[in-house]
Amino acid sequence: DAKTTQPPSMDCAEGRAANLPCNHSTISGNEYVYWYRQIHSQGPQYIIHGLKNNETNEMASLIITEDRKSSTLILPHATLRDTAVYYCIVRANNAGNMLTFGGGTRLMVKP
Amino acid sequence: GAVVSQHPSWVICKSGTSVKIECRSLDFQATTMFWYRQFPKQSLMLMATSNEGSKATYEQGVEKDKFLINHASLTLSTLTVTSAHPEDSSFYICSVRPGERNTEAFFGQGTRLTVV
Repeated sequence: DAKTTQPPSMDCAEGRAANLPCNHSTISGNEYVYWYRQIHSQGPQYIIHGLKNNETNEMASLIITEDRKSSTLILPHATLRDTAVYYCIVRANNAGNMLTFGGGTRLMVKP
Repeated sequence: GAVVSQHPSWVICKSGTSVKIECRSLDFQATTMFWYRQFPKQSLMLMATSNEGSKATYEQGVEKDKFLINHASLTLSTLTVTSAHPEDSSFYICSVRPGERNTEAFFGQGTRLTVV
């Protein structure tokens, strides 16, 4: 699976949009971009994934650049409960593949 | 999304004893489950892949005789930490994927093991 690079930490004001970047310059054509988050002392939680089109669900939006070498996860109105470590992972479309976690971005939402 | 239940959520054991952690897939059958370990302030590291009805596949550096994995049914995988030592203290997390292509993985709530 392709390697990803994320900033180690970010701050965001409560109620504002949180934009979390991820670089995956070595992504291959069959690899999807997945985002998970881990709130302290809990298991990771799935947020969203995409291949090349932008995606949106009730939790977040995923913007993938046209060359697919980077993406941005957007939490439109961050709340204190969004404080967590956010992991960007690229994974090939093979159901047997496990997820390989990098360092992630520790997002701190502040009042 | 799928529900994955891990038990116990935390356990304290004495050095030299064994501890069993259960991972249950509550609403679908999982032929494959994954076990991760997470040390404080670090990311999740894959330990092993649990395969229903066959032997688990361990990642490099993970002792298969110390971390026994049993996946006897399509809804249950267990991880037994044998002869636990303080350095085995960690957060253990299981994960399942429903089995279709491109679907997300679901994680248990994790088990915090403290060996004293």
